[in-house]
Amino acid sequence: EPEVTQTPSHQVTQMGQEVILRCVPISNHLYFYWYRQILGQKVEFLVSFYNNEISEKSEIFDDQFSVERPDGSNFTLKIRSTKLEDSAMYFCASSEARSGRGYTFGSGTRLTVV
Amino acid sequence: TQLLEQSPQFLSIQEGENLTVYCNSSSVFSSLQWYRQEPGEGPVLLVTVVTGGEVKKLKRLTFQFGDARKDSSLHITAAQPGDTGLYLCAGARNNAGNMLTFGGGTRLMVKP
Repeated sequence: EPEVTQTPSHQVTQMGQEVILRCVPISNHLYFYWYRQILGQKVEFLVSFYNNEISEKSEIFDDQFSVERPDGSNFTLKIRSTKLEDSAMYFCASSEARSGRGYTFGSGTRLTVV
Repeated sequence: TQLLEQSPQFLSIQEGENLTVYCNSSSVFSSLQWYRQEPGEGPVLLVTVVTGGEVKKLKRLTFQFGDARKDSSLHITAAQPGDTGLYLCAGARNNAGNMLTFGGGTRLMVKP
């Protein structure tokens, strides 16, 4: 079964450093997303991406965050200057269509900011 | 802000019992998805309901979307220890971003 692949599975970084989280969505999917889940809290939407541009973002997704699809397969989330409160599980997801058909999440990257 | 409230938050039952998990909102969603999440893993999609009043079955799991598309339920018949896990509902709006709003989850434990 097709999977969304995320790397690394765990990243530890010092406060103020930049991190890039990587994702390979399912190949025929057109919509890409990033979500995060702080330990013990709800899964929260960060951003959606379609046709090489951001289609929606939440208030969490401030100027410290950016997304990019540098080639035909990768989808990245960059945090420019990490803060302690950025520590969370970050999930990448993709879907076939606007209807959300085939919405598939990756296994996540656990980001720990120290 | 659209909110999805799940109840109960925790449920511990014996093998063979039936249970229902509820997902409620004051907002209308274009679709409602149910996920199961294991510790340290991403949510895994179980089902998507789209039409008000829709009922879908997945083996011993029955999912229903409310007529007004504001609420949903998950019913498990004859629960088994393998059903133990975190169940999440998530609502989607029919907008360009296709974002999901997640509920807080119901943590189910089925004891043998």
